[in-house]
Amino acid sequence: RKEVEQDPGPFNVPEGATVAFNCTYSNSASQSFFWYRQDCRKEPKLLMSVYSSGNEDGRFTAQLNRASQYISLLIRDSKLSDSATYLCVVNGPHRSGTYKYIFGTGTRLKVLA
Amino acid sequence: NAGVTQTPKFQVLKTGQSMTLQCAQDMNHEYMSWYRQDPGMGLRLIHYSVGAGITDQGEVPNGYNVSRSTTEDFPLRLLSAAPSQTSVYFCASSYGSPQIANYGYTFGSGTRLTVV
Repeated sequence: RKEVEQDPGPFNVPEGATVAFNCTYSNSASQSFFWYRQDCRKEPKLLMSVYSSGNEDGRFTAQLNRASQYISLLIRDSKLSDSATYLCVVNGPHRSGTYKYIFGTGTRLKVLA
Repeated sequence: NAGVTQTPKFQVLKTGQSMTLQCAQDMNHEYMSWYRQDPGMGLRLIHYSVGAGITDQGEVPNGYNVSRSTTEDFPLRLLSAAPSQTSVYFCASSYGSPQIANYGYTFGSGTRLTVV
């Protein structure tokens, strides 16, 4: 089982739609959770951290379910500019007591006019 | 504030050649890392550093070396390039290590490397 799994998509949605992505992680010791956005041929950029109580940033809402080991990202009122790949990132044990960030392969979103 | 600067943006190497990918950050971040991104595999950690003078291996370190003589700079050296090292390389920095909750990364713009 992959450490972090995402549906690759693409999710094709019309402008104004609400869309949600899930991401599952395998290590119950993970403590930090993030969503990144990556545009085609560009670097990933931090979209938002995910907190235990859930958090919102404008049209974006992130939630964490520790019991089922998944995080989610909800985008309301989708814009054309939201078209990108969304990467789920989780921290997890690396070796010798250190941790690393583990990246999912991403979910591609296309918002259609 | 430039953030994380990577050079070069593009590079073509012949098998067996060596080269250094440069990475510099001006945010006084202690934690720096190098990733490679390949289709369908996500970003994989090559090497990382928790501060000047301290480096360690990531998931895929073979064929790469790093050093961290200053807080700002974290170059990645390819010792003898192979076609399997064709990839997009990203340098990233963070205020704290992944063990510290909720410090995300700032990424450089990437280096597209092709080894022929």
